[in-house]
Amino acid sequence: QKEVEQNSGPLSVPEGAIASLNCTYSDRGSQSFFWYRQYSGKSPELIMSIYSNGDKEDGRFTAQLNKASQYVSLLIRDSQPSDSATYLCAVGGNEKLTFGTGTRLTIIP
Amino acid sequence: GAVVSQHPSWVICKSGTSVKIECRSLDFQATTMFWYRQFPKQSLMLMATSNEGSKATYEQGVEKDKFLINHASLTLSTLTVTSAHPEDSSFYICSAKGTNYEQYFGPGTRLTVT
Repeated sequence: QKEVEQNSGPLSVPEGAIASLNCTYSDRGSQSFFWYRQYSGKSPELIMSIYSNGDKEDGRFTAQLNKASQYVSLLIRDSQPSDSATYLCAVGGNEKLTFGTGTRLTIIP
Repeated sequence: GAVVSQHPSWVICKSGTSVKIECRSLDFQATTMFWYRQFPKQSLMLMATSNEGSKATYEQGVEKDKFLINHASLTLSTLTVTSAHPEDSSFYICSAKGTNYEQYFGPGTRLTVT
């Protein structure tokens, strides 16, 4: 059974601070790693993808992947109230993705 | 790019009737689409994987005769909920797979069965 685990939160971060979201996965053969953002009542939105070890930056977002530790994280710099949402970690191979249960993030103004 | 649409965005139907939901990839071809269901405050639940031109693969516990999936073209997959009951009320979301294994989600369809 492939598993993806996330801290369900809620995680509260002051506006302007760095939010750090973590995810671990069980399948060592996983090849692709994604972070999705889901606002309440809406569908998930892809915000980051990462495929190799190290960091990948896109604007205020940085994804970090460590395959040896089976760990992937998402950092959000200069957090804004609009970043308040549930963040889903997804891990996959050739076909379907396995999603974590999500971490609810609240940015406090 | 990578836009996925769903229609309708919400639907209310009577118990015992059938409802069809369409999922379209608007600016790319998707050989594989996925159908998910999400109940309030719960995580996504994959229902089935839909491949163009072949039968869908259903996840364990999902009734294939109740949730009919057709992937007739590289840009269109449909989910038909047959003989809907109130317990089928949920948020149904499709996704389409891109070139690097990423999935792009449609906006979802909120189904209410009365």
